Amino acid sequence: DTEVTQTPKHLVMGMTNKKSLKCEQHMGHRAMYWYKQKAKKPPELMFVYSYEKLSINESVPSRFSPECPNSSLLNLHLHALQPEDSALYLCASSRADDGYTFGSGTRLTVV
Amino acid sequence: AQSVTQPDIHITVSEGASLELRCNYSYGATPYLFWYVQSPGQGLQLLLKYFSGDTLVQGIKGFEAEFKRSQSSFNLRKPSVHWSDAAEYFCAVGAQGLKAAGNKLTFGGGTRVLVKP
Repeated sequence: DTEVTQTPKHLVMGMTNKKSLKCEQHMGHRAMYWYKQKAKKPPELMFVYSYEKLSINESVPSRFSPECPNSSLLNLHLHALQPEDSALYLCASSRADDGYTFGSGTRLTVV
Repeated sequence: AQSVTQPDIHITVSEGASLELRCNYSYGATPYLFWYVQSPGQGLQLLLKYFSGDTLVQGIKGFEAEFKRSQSSFNLRKPSVHWSDAAEYFCAVGAQGLKAAGNKLTFGGGTRVLVKP
């Protein structure tokens, strides 16, 4: 299995909702990432997990809460988002001697 | 701090013509370098990567890139473009070594490629 799987592919949520994005990989990669991508912009790093521990948080607002339950799963919990948080959320995984593999993303719309 | 510059925001090329996309990076040590392609509304697909060794790297879909340390460049080329190559292309730099398992990947601003029939 050489893929990173993200669910759901599309999500529409209200500003008072709580939702979660899920990411799964079975390549044995011990680093996993969340990136946010606005339209016509490059991906911007949000969080890095290394060996299931949060190693980098790029000053992301607390309404985004990451979780790494095990070495194959990465979640992003969303609460009280703003319309400007609407974006494509990309998950990725990597290992030291290889490249980064990205999922196809979750298109999030906050209404 | 690492950074990547893609000087061309848009490039228009005729189908069958050659393509070169420029990428310049800034990094304090020997970097990992990547080129990714993204079709509208899709995720990122890895075209090729450079870690060490031969500075001319072959990738998927007929793409190649050349690492030039003296110029801090990693330009992407394709000899003959197909209509399906129309997409956004991102150059990225990451840290080498074990730290790469859990280090940040920094992207350039991207180059949008349009292919004329």
